[in-house]
Amino acid sequence: QKEVEQNSGPLSVPEGAIASLNCTYSDRVSQSFFWYRQYSGKSPELIMSIYSNGDKEDGRFTAQLNKASQYVSLLIRDSQPSDSATYLCAVTSGTYKYIFGTGTRLKVLA
Amino acid sequence: DGGITQSPKYLFRKEGQNVTLSCEQNLNHDAMYWYRQDPGQGLRLIYYSQIVNDFQKGDIAEGYSVSREKKESFPLTVTSAQKNPTAFYLCASSIIGNEQFFGPGTRLTVL
Repeated sequence: QKEVEQNSGPLSVPEGAIASLNCTYSDRVSQSFFWYRQYSGKSPELIMSIYSNGDKEDGRFTAQLNKASQYVSLLIRDSQPSDSATYLCAVTSGTYKYIFGTGTRLKVLA
Repeated sequence: DGGITQSPKYLFRKEGQNVTLSCEQNLNHDAMYWYRQDPGQGLRLIYYSQIVNDFQKGDIAEGYSVSREKKESFPLTVTSAQKNPTAFYLCASSIIGNEQFFGPGTRLTVL
């Protein structure tokens, strides 16, 4: 069974701090990796996608991928109370399927 | 405006009743997916379709059925065989291997 593991949290950080979210996956052949943000009662919203080793930055968000160690992380700089949500990590499994982690709940304290 | 729509937003089902959830996309994506999300849990794959007139079972297909007669549409029927259908249902679409985009979801409750 292919798996994606995330710490369920909650991860609490003060406003303005860096939030670091981590995800490990078991399928060595996974090629595509995604971070989604999900507010309570809403559907997931894509934040970042990353396909190759290294860092990818988009505004306050940085995704980091290390295929050798099978982990992907998301850094949120200058965290805001509006960033408080559950963050889902997803990886592709084969060509058509996506495996989701159970999510990390982030709380940004004002 | 490109996107994915789901209807209805809320749905109530009586015991023994079949209900159909609608999912439409105008993103020209080939692949479409149905997920179920229970409180505090991750997304579990029900069915997916890579192309019109073809679909595959996901991890929890029992008690559900789908069709894919048009590229834009991928309706999900929750049958009376699904004994615990109360959940948040999410439809998604993608270019194969790339980002999935989600609809707003349908919240199904059994009365």
